[in-house]
Amino acid sequence: DQQVKQNSPSLSVQEGRISILNCDYTNSMFDYFLWYKKYPAEGPTFLISISSIKDKNEDGRFTVFLNKSAKHLSLHIVPSQPGDSAVYFCAVPGNTPLVFGKGTRLSVIA
Amino acid sequence: NAGVTQTPKFRVLKTGQSMTLLCAQDMNHEYMYWYRQDPGMGLRLIHYSVGEGTTAKGEVPDGYNVSRLKKQNFLLGLESAAPSQTSVYFCASSYKGSDTQYFGPGTRLTVL
Repeated sequence: DQQVKQNSPSLSVQEGRISILNCDYTNSMFDYFLWYKKYPAEGPTFLISISSIKDKNEDGRFTVFLNKSAKHLSLHIVPSQPGDSAVYFCAVPGNTPLVFGKGTRLSVIA
Repeated sequence: NAGVTQTPKFRVLKTGQSMTLLCAQDMNHEYMYWYRQDPGMGLRLIHYSVGEGTTAKGEVPDGYNVSRLKKQNFLLGLESAAPSQTSVYFCASSYKGSDTQYFGPGTRLTVL
């Protein structure tokens, strides 16, 4: 059974600084991992993914790091902007196509 | 190209009433999903479908039924609504199970 944990329900960061969001999973037999972003009153949207053959994937200000031995993902946002304020979910394959974490609410303060 | 659409956007039901939520996608995706989002609980999968005419249970299927009679539509039914089903419901679709899922805008359901 895949379990996905995002242990920080919320995070507050100053504009221009780095935001680091963390995610832990339990079952490492799958080969890709994703992050989704959700604004209020909207559906989640795909943000960035990483394959298990890599330990880092970068897309502009967003970088996802994968530590397979620790079963840990992290999302770095540099520099953070007020428009990044949203809930971020990590998602990992499991018994069903994707298992989502409970999310971390990021607030970027101007 | 509308992507994933959901109807209705809002609904208030009384306990025991029934309703159907409709999800439609125009991306020719094989997989479709229904999730619910509750405060502090993240996104939990209710049911999903891997193709027309198929359905499968997710993490929290009890109290819900689904049907996928046409590839582009996925219906979520509540036969006898309960206050515990008050939630925001999201539909999603993907080409394959391993692909990015595209979400609809959500349906906010309140059961009194």
